[in-house]
Amino acid sequence: SQTIHQWPATLVQPVGSPLSLECTVEGTSNPNLYWYRQAAGRGLQLLFYSVGIGQISSEVPQNLSASRPQDRQFILSSKKLLLSDSGFYLCAWTEASGFLNEQFFGPGTRLTVL
Amino acid sequence: AQSVSQHNHHVILSEAASLELGCNYSYGGTVNLFWYVQYPGQHLQLLLKYFSGDPLVKGIKGFEAEFIKSKFSFNLRKPSVQWSDTAEYFCAVTPYNNNDMRFGAGTRLTVKP
Repeated sequence: SQTIHQWPATLVQPVGSPLSLECTVEGTSNPNLYWYRQAAGRGLQLLFYSVGIGQISSEVPQNLSASRPQDRQFILSSKKLLLSDSGFYLCAWTEASGFLNEQFFGPGTRLTVL
Repeated sequence: AQSVSQHNHHVILSEAASLELGCNYSYGGTVNLFWYVQYPGQHLQLLLKYFSGDPLVKGIKGFEAEFIKSKFSFNLRKPSVQWSDTAEYFCAVTPYNNNDMRFGAGTRLTVKP
């Protein structure tokens, strides 16, 4: 069966510090991968998605970037965190092809920027 | 791109009350529709989904949703809520055979015992 992992689960970082959040998926090949930010009252905001290694689409211009160095690894990064980057970050995957395109979510990372 | 509106931000009900959460989407073509639920402290998980066929979809835990194409709606219903239904509910839509999923802002449901 497929599983999705995110780490760390929680993170407290000072303003201006770098960020690296990791997401890995097991039990599937060539998934589509997504990064979302969940903010209270604003639902899930799609940040990035990837349909393959090295292929990243950005939905919202911001202080963050994403990379996909391996088929089942998706990384969310920042060179210098802002206070406004605080939030709950969710990674998700879905089958790349076929009829089933339900998204499966990871446990999330709670980021606090101080 | 498609968008999703959930007009109820916070709904408070007593146990055994009936529930209906609104979801409207904007997209001109064929869509797939989803309801996700996030219980306190847990992952987002799928409640039910509509791809084609019968527009009345039944999901887990007694939930159902009806796709009304003419109204661009996919409202979630449950005849009698329980305290354990307290959670946040998200409606989502993707264009048919496309994985570009867009979520609504979510509706927080509080069920009082």
